Amino acid sequence: DQQVKQNSPSLSVQEGRISILNCDYTNSMFDYFLWYKKYPAEGPTFLISISSIKDKNEDGRFTVFLNKSAKHLSLHIVPSQPGDSAVYFCAVSNYGGATNKLIFGTGTLLAVQP
Amino acid sequence: NAGVMQNPRHLVRRRGQEARLRCSPMKGHSHVYWYRQLPEEGLKFMVYLQKENIIDESGMPKERFSAEFPKEGPSILRIQQVVRGDSAAYFCASSPGGSIVEQYFGPGTRLTVT
Repeated sequence: DQQVKQNSPSLSVQEGRISILNCDYTNSMFDYFLWYKKYPAEGPTFLISISSIKDKNEDGRFTVFLNKSAKHLSLHIVPSQPGDSAVYFCAVSNYGGATNKLIFGTGTLLAVQP
Repeated sequence: NAGVMQNPRHLVRRRGQEARLRCSPMKGHSHVYWYRQLPEEGLKFMVYLQKENIIDESGMPKERFSAEFPKEGPSILRIQQVVRGDSAAYFCASSPGGSIVEQYFGPGTRLTVT
């Protein structure tokens, strides 16, 4: 049973436009949410995070939105750049629990076309 | 300001051999996590360690896999009697612990079992 789902395996966007990546989770106990970017043959790179007490967090071109009632989060990248082309993973955690393990979605491959 | 170091980057083993994967966390980080990424899948949590202690090994296969994080030296993930299904990318992440949830990943070790 997948606790974290990224239903879009891939997304193609024109340079300069907005990229919106989506993520759904099933367990309301999760209270900390993260996005990672991954290039081929490299480790994931932390991008941005949000705790459940907020509904929005912004860092430069990246904004994460959290809708707790829908158990849904999204990552907005604007404007998109060709260098943003990568696989994006959302991850969730139960902050304050016995373990800080992250549970990852299956990823969305973003292709930004010049 | 070295990040998380993993070695080797690539490891080839024949079925039945042992594989040892090493991870040195970021300076100042005392929490280490191991994740595995099978082909076409997301990252799956394996084990969470602090110095000399295994905190959560709920993602570790019951047999052949073990992990340690000694007082001195890197964390080691050991796979005994490897099988073809162990072929994957193994990622180590570290965090400073406390209230910090974000984990920072190394470049990974790609294990190929022939």
